[in-house]
Amino acid sequence: AQSVTQLDSQVPVFEEAPVELRCNYSSSVSVYLFWYVQYPNQGLQLLLKYLSGSTLVKGINGFEAEFNKSQTSFHLRKPSVHISDTAEYFCAVAKSSGDKLTFGTGTRLAVRP
Amino acid sequence: DVKVTQSSRYLVKRTGEKVFLECVQDMDHENMFWYRQDPGLGLRLIYFSYDVKMKEKGDIPEGYSVSREKKERFSLILESASTNQTSMYLCASLGALNTGELFFGEGSRLTVL
Repeated sequence: AQSVTQLDSQVPVFEEAPVELRCNYSSSVSVYLFWYVQYPNQGLQLLLKYLSGSTLVKGINGFEAEFNKSQTSFHLRKPSVHISDTAEYFCAVAKSSGDKLTFGTGTRLAVRP
Repeated sequence: DVKVTQSSRYLVKRTGEKVFLECVQDMDHENMFWYRQDPGLGLRLIYFSYDVKMKEKGDIPEGYSVSREKKERFSLILESASTNQTSMYLCASLGALNTGELFFGEGSRLTVL
């Protein structure tokens, strides 16, 4: 079975600073990786995904993530954050693109002015 | 636009009551999911369904059941609500299999007294 670890439960950062949210996974098979974002009082929406191909994946709102198979990581980055990026971010893994997702415990990003 | 609608955003029930959480999607998706979201635990899969009248247990099915009589509707049922079922419940449907993207409703926050 696959699992996802998000080591940072909270990440405070100042506006316009860079940020990295860490995600590590474990799986005995090839995986598909996702980052979802949840704004306050809303459901989750897809930020970006890695299914195959280039290991650097670009998503919405200026976010990107890099799939690193040797380190079993899929860290999320943004070079300059905005107040509006304050939200909870979830990393998720699946065995195939149609399989059920296993989510991490989430990282709360708090952007301060 | 893709839409997943959860009929109740907030519910307050008493211990022992039967609770129905309804979810409707308008995208003709075959796969639908119910997750539970708790602080520090992320999203945990309760049940999912690949087709009408089909259901599969997720990671935490105890105390829950589901119903999928029509393709667009997936209901979560708590036969006898307990205080430890106080939580946020999220419904999702799966887009095209080759994208792996889940579309989420806004969630139903259930409080069991």
